[in-house]
Amino acid sequence: NAGVTQTPKFRVLKTGQSMTLLCAQDMNHEYMYWYRQDPGMGLRLIHYSVGEGTTAKGEVPDGYNVSRLKKQNFLLGLESAAPSQTSVYFCASRMTVTFQAFFGQGTRLTVV
Amino acid sequence: DAKTTQPPSMDCAEGRAANLPCNHSTISGNEYVYWYRQIHSQGPQYIIHGLKNNETNEMASLIITEDRKSSTLILPHATLRDTAVYYCIVRVEAGGTSYGKLTFGQGTILTVHP
Repeated sequence: NAGVTQTPKFRVLKTGQSMTLLCAQDMNHEYMYWYRQDPGMGLRLIHYSVGEGTTAKGEVPDGYNVSRLKKQNFLLGLESAAPSQTSVYFCASRMTVTFQAFFGQGTRLTVV
Repeated sequence: DAKTTQPPSMDCAEGRAANLPCNHSTISGNEYVYWYRQIHSQGPQYIIHGLKNNETNEMASLIITEDRKSSTLILPHATLRDTAVYYCIVRVEAGGTSYGKLTFGQGTILTVHP
């Protein structure tokens, strides 16, 4: 039982490149979330999903796309990376009823 | 969702109890109080939650006032490893897309000193 696993853990991108961050959970959770956290700042919600095949915008969705084709996976895409997207990205999942969420260990992304 | 207010920072001596307050004066009857913490560079970690009764688990105790307008998270014997940002969140437990968001405020930076 691995919980929430994020891939990759570190990545350096050049401006304009694209990439996909993968979040996988093995707890059969309905809800999944993507956050970003800039140095010294709080967590900001990018997108979230309330179930397979659904996605919704969070507080800072611009520049990101997401997909939830399988219940256990939530993908975060950057189509054209910008230096402003340099951040630590966290994924989380939870069951439907409770807001007890489980977080991954983060992906540290640097865009140069 | 009810707005929460937390002090930006607090200090505590190692071995002493850490009492972290949270004000949620606009809380409604079906909203729960949740506490999370984030240790440096790690993902946030769930600590405890409650509706109106006091709650205790292996990590902490949660005291909710009778009018539910404020709560206190208590770490009974703080250690250096408890240094973290602590977040108080108020949420309705229900299904439906409109209840899906889980957002965090600025939290309280707790520093435990030797």
